[in-house]
Amino acid sequence: QKEVEQNSGPLSVPEGAIASLNCTYSDRGSQSFFWYRQYSGKSPELIMSIYSNGDKEDGRFTAQLNKASQYVSLLIRDSQPSDSATYLCAVNTGGDDKIIFGKGTRLHILP
Amino acid sequence: DAGITQSPRHKVTETGTPVTLRCHQTENHRYMYWYRQDPGHGLRLIHYSYGVKDTDKGEVSDGYSVSRSKTEDFLLTLESATSSQTSVYFCAITPDRVSYEQYFGPGTRLTVT
Repeated sequence: QKEVEQNSGPLSVPEGAIASLNCTYSDRGSQSFFWYRQYSGKSPELIMSIYSNGDKEDGRFTAQLNKASQYVSLLIRDSQPSDSATYLCAVNTGGDDKIIFGKGTRLHILP
Repeated sequence: DAGITQSPRHKVTETGTPVTLRCHQTENHRYMYWYRQDPGHGLRLIHYSYGVKDTDKGEVSDGYSVSRSKTEDFLLTLESATSSQTSVYFCAITPDRVSYEQYFGPGTRLTVT
């Protein structure tokens, strides 16, 4: 069974600090990796996609991928109260039209 | 919201009644998905479609059927609603099969009493 694992949290981070969210996946054939942000009562919103090993930066967000360790992470710099949400990790395993979601990590930014 | 609408946005129904949820997109995307989201389970795929009249089952398809007679509409039917189908239902689209990025509609909150 292909799985995506995340710590459910909550992860509490002081405002202005770096929030670090982690995800592991089981299928070594995975090729596409995504981070979604979901506010309470809202739909998931895609914030980062990453396809190759290394770092990808977009504003305050950095996605990191290590395929050898089957590990993907999201760093949020200068955390703001508006970053408080649930963050979902998702993986496309290649040769498949579907993506598998982790259960999400709740992030709470402390003012 | 990638031009995706869902209707109804909220619905309360009784056990044993059929229910149909609609997902409508305006961008002519080929791939469409139905998920349910429940506390402790995350997002789980119910069914998906890769074209008109082309559909396939997901992880939790029992008790659900789908139809896609037009590119823009993907319907999810609960043939006989049960309390275990109380959930939030999301529709999603994939614009291309290179990135596999998915974009979600606003969701439908369904309560089965």
